[in-house]
Amino acid sequence: DAGVTQSPTHLIKTRGQHVTLRCSPISGHKSVSWYQQVLGQGPQFIFQYYEKEERGRGNFPDRFSARQFPNYSSELNVNALLLGDSALYLCASSVIPRYEQYFGPGTRLTVT
Amino acid sequence: AQTVTQSQPEMSVQEAETVTLSCTYDTSESDYYLFWYKQPPSRQMILVIRQEAYKQQNATENRFSVNFQKAAKSFSLKISDSQLGDAAMYFCVQMDSNYQLIWGAGTKLIIKP
Repeated sequence: DAGVTQSPTHLIKTRGQHVTLRCSPISGHKSVSWYQQVLGQGPQFIFQYYEKEERGRGNFPDRFSARQFPNYSSELNVNALLLGDSALYLCASSVIPRYEQYFGPGTRLTVT
Repeated sequence: AQTVTQSQPEMSVQEAETVTLSCTYDTSESDYYLFWYKQPPSRQMILVIRQEAYKQQNATENRFSVNFQKAAKSFSLKISDSQLGDAAMYFCVQMDSNYQLIWGAGTKLIIKP
C-alpha cells in the first residue's frame, strides 16, 4: 500500500509570497494533520482535519490555513511568507484522529 | 500547558549493545497515548512504538520496548541489540485529549560500529 505522499519535495519562495503544500493520506485514512518542524527542533502542530472539518488548530497565525477535500487529501496554505516560515512541513494521516499517525516525507520550504 | 521533556540531546551506543532513551511528560489527563517516533537523516518520521496510558503492561515491538511509569510520568525507550540502521533522532510524543501530538525536542542516537 502507498504511504502518505506530499508534494512538492522542496520549495524555494521569496518573502511575501504565497505557498500551497499538498498531502495525500494512506488509503482508508480520514484524518490528516499538519506539522512544522524547524531545523533542530521537534515538530509543532499546525492543523488537524477529520472528515473534511477542522478538528484542531495550533498556535500559528492566520496566515496559515488548510482544507481537506472529499477524497481526504489536504492542502496547507501559507500567505505573506516570512523568513521564519522556513522549515520542514510534515503531513500525517490516521484512520481516525485517536489512532496513531503515519507521516509523509515532508516538504522542505525555504523562504529567502 | 502539556509538555514533553527529553533531557538527553544526544546518546551514543556500541553496535549490538543496549541503550535507553529517557522521556518525561506533564499532563493532568488520565487517559492518553504515548509514542516514540524516529526520524533518520532521510527525514521520514517513523512510528516505533505506542503505549496506551490505561494499560499497565509495557509495550514491546521486537528489539524496542518501553518502561512506562504512569505515576512518575516517565516513558523511556529501550533499544536492544542496537543496529547501524537505528541511528536517528528519536522523539517522545504524547497525544492529548484532542488527539493532537505534543513532541519532545528529540534525542540524537549515534551507533558506533
